[in-house]
Amino acid sequence: QSALTQPASVSGSPGQSITISCTGTSSDVGAYNSVSWFQQHPGKAPKLIIYEVNNRPSGISDRFSGSKSGNTASLTISGLQAEDEADYYCASFTRTSTWVFGGGTRLTVL
Amino acid sequence: EVHLVESGGGLVQPGGSLRLSCAASGFTFSSYWMKWVRQAPGEGLVWVSHINPDGSITNYADSVKGRFTVSRDNAKNTHYLQMHSLRTEDTAIYFCATDLRLPPNYWGQGALVTVSS
Repeated sequence: QSALTQPASVSGSPGQSITISCTGTSSDVGAYNSVSWFQQHPGKAPKLIIYEVNNRPSGISDRFSGSKSGNTASLTISGLQAEDEADYYCASFTRTSTWVFGGGTRLTVL
Repeated sequence: EVHLVESGGGLVQPGGSLRLSCAASGFTFSSYWMKWVRQAPGEGLVWVSHINPDGSITNYADSVKGRFTVSRDNAKNTHYLQMHSLRTEDTAIYFCATDLRLPPNYWGQGALVTVSS
């Protein structure tokens, strides 16, 4: 149950787009389309922003989008805003019926 | 309004035990898979366990298997995590949450467990 691999940090200026990668294996990310992304602000509980690779829950801005190719999933945030500054985590269901999170990516809006 | 409220956290010595509770309200608790997810201070999220709606299916992260037991009482709308043989590396905020796969996805505010002598 090794954590999925995410970059430790990314940054971008307001209005720009950034992409966060999430690399797993054929036993997790590559196995199913059960990849979710969570946003966590300091001291707060995580919030689901993408589910099943590329779907947004009601109320989540369409500036957030997801994709997957093979064993790597990606989260793209377009039109960066100051309030997007947070930690982002991917999570995947696995072939052993467990879940695994990525190590997390700190997004800094410059 | 949906609420998930964790309780039972605190300071415990290595080797000790603790039981966390997660009280749910505002949604049909008995229809949801429930998860425990933990976050060590300054670290990332780690899935700990889950349980299906009727309590017949459970699973655990390797790091807690054999030491932690998850359960639920649908009549009380409450989800539990019994923790034994606690280690310093179990120190974390423990969140209860609904299914990570699909919305709606609800989270509690977390309960801090500190394992220290």
